[in-house]
Amino acid sequence: GENVEQHPSTLSVQEGDSAVIKCTYSDSASNYFPWYKQELGKRPQLIIDIRSNVGEKKDQRIAVTLNKTAKHFSLHITETQPEDSAVYFCAASMGGGGSQGNLIFGKGTKLSVKP
Amino acid sequence: EADIYQTPRYLVIGTGKKITLECSQTMGHDKMYWYQQDPGMELHLIHYSYGVNSTEKGDLSSESTVSRIRTEHFPLTLESARPSHTSQYLCASSEYGQRPSYEQYFGPGTRLTVT
Repeated sequence: GENVEQHPSTLSVQEGDSAVIKCTYSDSASNYFPWYKQELGKRPQLIIDIRSNVGEKKDQRIAVTLNKTAKHFSLHITETQPEDSAVYFCAASMGGGGSQGNLIFGKGTKLSVKP
Repeated sequence: EADIYQTPRYLVIGTGKKITLECSQTMGHDKMYWYQQDPGMELHLIHYSYGVNSTEKGDLSSESTVSRIRTEHFPLTLESARPSHTSQYLCASSEYGQRPSYEQYFGPGTRLTVT
């Protein structure tokens, strides 16, 4: 089955710097890659996602890149702010019906943005 | 407003008690999920359902059971709670179909402590 590895497990940056979180997946059939942000005591919320027919997607200060050949995808946050501090989870899915449509999550990255 | 609701939000209960964690969604989604998560840590899928009368076990073995009698309701039951069940339980829902995966929406979670 699919396996998703996420690095680093913790990341500390200064406010205004960029942060990059990387994930690799094992199954080349995966075609949907969302990123979730979970603030302390809150529910995970989708912040951006990408499908396998696209190489990059941006939304204001966040962007995701996908390299299908290497089977890895990354989250980029520019001009980080203290409110970006949270745990970020990547995930992968093969889509469609059945259990292949379930998301396989990485273990999470705890991002701390220091003022 | 469409949302996912979980009750109770916090529960402290003694060993051996039977408990039911409630999850309801007004998103109109067919597929629903239960995840177990120690705060800020990895998300483990324990149960999911494609629709009414459908229940499936997830990747993490769990002593809990689920039922799906109504589309909007997906309760989780522990027949005999143990300290090892202490964790946060997150309910989620998504659309379901043959096209590439759909976004999962999470409820606020139930934090369970078994003494």
